[in-house]
Amino acid sequence: DADVTQTPRNRITKTGKRIMLECSQTKGHDRMYWYRQDPGLGLRLIYYSFDVKDINKGEISDGYSVSRQAQAKFSLSLESAIPNQTALYFCATSDGDREVKETQYFGPGTRLLVL
Amino acid sequence: AQTVTQSQPEMSVQEAETVTLSCTYDTSESDYYLFWYKQPPSRQMILVIRQEAYKQQNATENRFSVNFQKAAKSFSLKISDSQLGDAAMYFCAYRSASNAGGTSYGKLTFGQGTILTVHP
Repeated sequence: DADVTQTPRNRITKTGKRIMLECSQTKGHDRMYWYRQDPGLGLRLIYYSFDVKDINKGEISDGYSVSRQAQAKFSLSLESAIPNQTALYFCATSDGDREVKETQYFGPGTRLLVL
Repeated sequence: AQTVTQSQPEMSVQEAETVTLSCTYDTSESDYYLFWYKQPPSRQMILVIRQEAYKQQNATENRFSVNFQKAAKSFSLKISDSQLGDAAMYFCAYRSASNAGGTSYGKLTFGQGTILTVHP
């Protein structure tokens, strides 16, 4: 029973298609994040949300949008997918009430291929 | 902006031996956290160890320990008694502890990763 789940785990889509990646968590954390992983670049932050009404852009938000439907759900959308958005996408959560010990917990990742 | 650099794209070690993975970072902040994450072939990101910058004592977690050199901005990971299950990609990450606002707060900045191979 995973604390942070992502759906789908793998997805192939075509250029120009709209796609949504979903993240759910049962950890009760306020903070949620979306990262993408590319070979040789590590993980880079796309968007983050500190609560349902607080959404912020990360370092590579262009071409992406997010929705925080509830404390436990944070979705990432690609409005018009392009091939250079092919990557591994991770959702993460953290407990903002424990600043000193904050750790981000990651979901299993979604591998996206845009043809 | 903070940057994290892992200069070793790949490392290898014999089972039961010790290996050290390097990480350097650049920041103007004095208060921050450093992390090592492990990513096995399953793709899951797993926290290995965490270090608070205000602590001089190096963090340890069983066979994993760090050498934190704040002045040199260096944060290496030592794996002792390496096991086959340690084979993975390892990422070093930085997180600001400052609540001064801006886009850096709360986010992790990752290095490029080091692939560790463990030979039986």
